[in-house]
Amino acid sequence: DIQMTQSPSSLSASVGDRVTITCRASQSISIYLNWYQQKPGKAPKLLIYTTSRLESGVPSRFSGSGSGTDFTLTINSLQPEDFATYYCQQSYSTPMYTFGQGTKLEIK
Amino acid sequence: QVHLRESGPGLVKPSQTLSLTCTVSGGSVSSGGYYWYWIRQQPGRGLEYIGYIFSAGNTYYNPSLQSRVTISLDTSENHFSLKLSSVTAADTAVYYCARDAYGDYGGFGPWGQGTLVTVSS
Repeated sequence: DIQMTQSPSSLSASVGDRVTITCRASQSISIYLNWYQQKPGKAPKLLIYTTSRLESGVPSRFSGSGSGTDFTLTINSLQPEDFATYYCQQSYSTPMYTFGQGTKLEIK
Repeated sequence: QVHLRESGPGLVKPSQTLSLTCTVSGGSVSSGGYYWYWIRQQPGRGLEYIGYIFSAGNTYYNPSLQSRVTISLDTSENHFSLKLSSVTAADTAVYYCARDAYGDYGGFGPWGQGTLVTVSS
């Protein structure tokens, strides 16, 4: 299986900050990397697919980049509703998908 | 817009079979060429992919669960189902159903709200 490693595991930031979350794959996954946001008690929500494509309705302060093994999710100007847990997921090795362990973004 | 909703027993005894259903509204499980997924999340932990059934009926299961998992489609009821046999406490989790967003490369799109299944005697 392709292993996905996110860093950091948790992060404290303030409203208005710019934050970056990193996801590293154990082998090249080209651009087949997706990002999800999960709030407590809710299902994950797709934010970005194939590295950099913003899902419909997702604010433009969210962006993704990378290729191969290293990827980043950037959130510009953090809003109160952005405090959540973020997961990356590789879809390169379809039909077997794997997730990162998650990054919890908390209010400082 | 498609909506998914999981249903099934919230408590299952060890060694028994967990059975869940995902009811789909706003779309047909047997058309459109979609992948219908099951994903779970153990308490306080990350997401684990269980497997899928394609609208044509093809299935794939995570090798770590393959010997115990069956996913099936019921076109008359417009739902798909998950069966996980010989459960243990390690199978206690919130179980989600989902559909692909953009084919098999584009992530998991619509999700159900999730249902907690506890394995306990």
